[in-house]
Amino acid sequence: GENVEQHPSTLSVQEGDSAVIKCTYSDSASNYFPWYKQELGKRPQLIIDIRSNVGEKKDQRIAVTLNKTAKHFSLHITETQPEDSAVYFCAVAPYGGSQGNLIFGKGTKLSVKP
Amino acid sequence: DGGITQSPKYLFRKEGQNVTLSCEQNLNHDAMYWYRQDPGQGLRLIYYSQIVNDFQKGDIAEGYSVSREKKESFPLTVTSAQKNPTAFYLCASSVKDGAYEQYFGPGTRLTVT
Repeated sequence: GENVEQHPSTLSVQEGDSAVIKCTYSDSASNYFPWYKQELGKRPQLIIDIRSNVGEKKDQRIAVTLNKTAKHFSLHITETQPEDSAVYFCAVAPYGGSQGNLIFGKGTKLSVKP
Repeated sequence: DGGITQSPKYLFRKEGQNVTLSCEQNLNHDAMYWYRQDPGQGLRLIYYSQIVNDFQKGDIAEGYSVSREKKESFPLTVTSAQKNPTAFYLCASSVKDGAYEQYFGPGTRLTVT
């Protein structure tokens, strides 16, 4: 089955720096790659997603890049702020989205120091 | 934050007892999911349902059961057969199953002693 690896598991940056989180996947038929943010004690919420026909997508300070050949995608956060501190999860819809569920990475705990 | 609700927020049970966690959505979504979240383990899928009266096992279904009698409701029962039931449980829904955004409920923290 699909395997999703997420790195790093923890990331600490200074306010204003950039943060990058990377995920790799194994199924070349995977076609949907969302990123979720979970603040402490709260529910995960979608922050950005990308589909396999697009290489990059941006939304203000966050961006996601996808390399289908290498089977990896990354979340980029620029000009980090303390409110960006959270756990970030990548996910993959395997088998072209036909399996019915998402496979999640194990998460990255991002800490932004003021 | 409305649209998908879980109750209760905290639940305490004695070992050997079955317990049912509630999940309701008013988003008119076809698909619903149950995940278990443990520290450092990410979100692990327990069960999901693509449509009313149908559901599929996820990666860690042993010791759990579900039903989907109504579109808006997807309760999860943690049975006494689940060896390590203490965890944070998240319910989610999406317009359809597969490559669509999932909307999560606030979660239920279950403690079994």
